[in-house]
This record gives sequence, structure tokens and C-alpha cells, in this order.
Amino acid sequence: QKEVEQNSGPLSVPEGAIASLNCTYSDRGSQSFFWYRQYSGKSPELIMFIYSNGDKEDGRFTAQLNKASQYVSLLIRDSQPSDSATYLCAVGYKSAGNMLTFGGGTRLMVKP
Amino acid sequence: DTAVSQTPKYLVTQMGNDKSIKCEQNLGHDTMYWYKQDSKKFLKIMFSYNNKELIINETVPNRFSPKSPDKAHLNLHINSLELGDSAVYFCASSQASGNQPQHFGDGTRLSIL
Repeated sequence: QKEVEQNSGPLSVPEGAIASLNCTYSDRGSQSFFWYRQYSGKSPELIMFIYSNGDKEDGRFTAQLNKASQYVSLLIRDSQPSDSATYLCAVGYKSAGNMLTFGGGTRLMVKP
Repeated sequence: DTAVSQTPKYLVTQMGNDKSIKCEQNLGHDTMYWYKQDSKKFLKIMFSYNNKELIINETVPNRFSPKSPDKAHLNLHINSLELGDSAVYFCASSQASGNQPQHFGDGTRLSIL
């Protein structure tokens, strides 16, 4: 059974700090990795996606993938109170109709 | 313009009833999905569907069935509703090739009385 694990948090960081969110996955056949942000009562919103080992940067966000360690992370630089939300890690398997397996999410709180 | 839209936004009904949730996407995607997010906020895939195949998560009861009149629509039918069906249901879509990102609708909150 494919599993995606995240620390549920809350992860509390001061405004302006770097927030580091982590995710591990069980299936070595995983091919695609996504980070979604979900505000309370809202739908998941795509933040980043990464397919290859290494880092991928987009503005204040950096996704990091290490397939050997089955580990993917999201760094948020210069954290803002508006970044306070639940961050969902999702892993995709091409052979499974592009279905995603989601982790339970990490709640991030950025304090002014 | 809403990319993935679901109706209704809220659905309150009694146990044993049959209900449907509609989903439409205007992104030109060829694959659509249904997810269930329970009270603990865990998001679980229910179905993946394109014009070639339907993939069903084995944990989904057969009371749930997707119906696709065309490539832009994937509706969710639920028969004999149970208390445990109370959740938020999200529709999503993507291009199937190359593990493209999925884009989500705003969700339908289903409450069973």
C-alpha cells in the first residue's frame, strides 16, 4: 500500500523566517511530487511540483526531492502570516491513472 | 472564469437518500477525479476517469459511481447515503500524460442527517 507521511504540526515560525515542511513516501516507483496549500474551508491550491532529484525554486518557495531517501520537502522563505495554512504533500504514480496519494498535511502557523 | 466548478456547494440530506454532485472543467483536460476529505482532513482519491478508462480506489463502496456525459464533466452519484458519507467531496482535473498537476474545484460539503 502506497503511503505518504507528514508531520501534522502545527509548525510555528515567526514572520520572516524559513518554514521547512517535510514529506516521506513509501513507493520507490513514485514519479511525481506535488505540494498543495489548503486554507481552512477552501480547496487545495497547487504550490509546486517536482519530478527530478534536486531543488526547484519558484519565488519564495523551493521544493527539494531526494528519491534515494524517498523524501520531498518544501521550503518557504520570508514566511508571511498569509502563508498560515495546511500544506499537503501528494505523490503520483503514472501506472495508476495519474491518481495522487496525499499525506495528512502539516499545519503551518506564521506568527507576526 | 472558474476552471473546475462543482455544484452544489452544500448538500444536506437524510440517510438512505440518493444524491448527485456535478463537476465541470473548462481547462481542456482529459482526466477528471473525485476525492473525499473527511473530518480529519485526510484527502483520499475515489476515482480517476478519462475517455478510455475508469480507475476505482478499491476502498470506495459501490454505492458511489461516477458518470461522465462528456470530457468536460464528471458527476458523482451516491446511492443509499450513510452517516459516514458526510465529508467534503472535491472534483479535480488534469492532463493525464506526464503526471501533470491536478487542479481542484471548490468542494461540496455533504452532511447526512
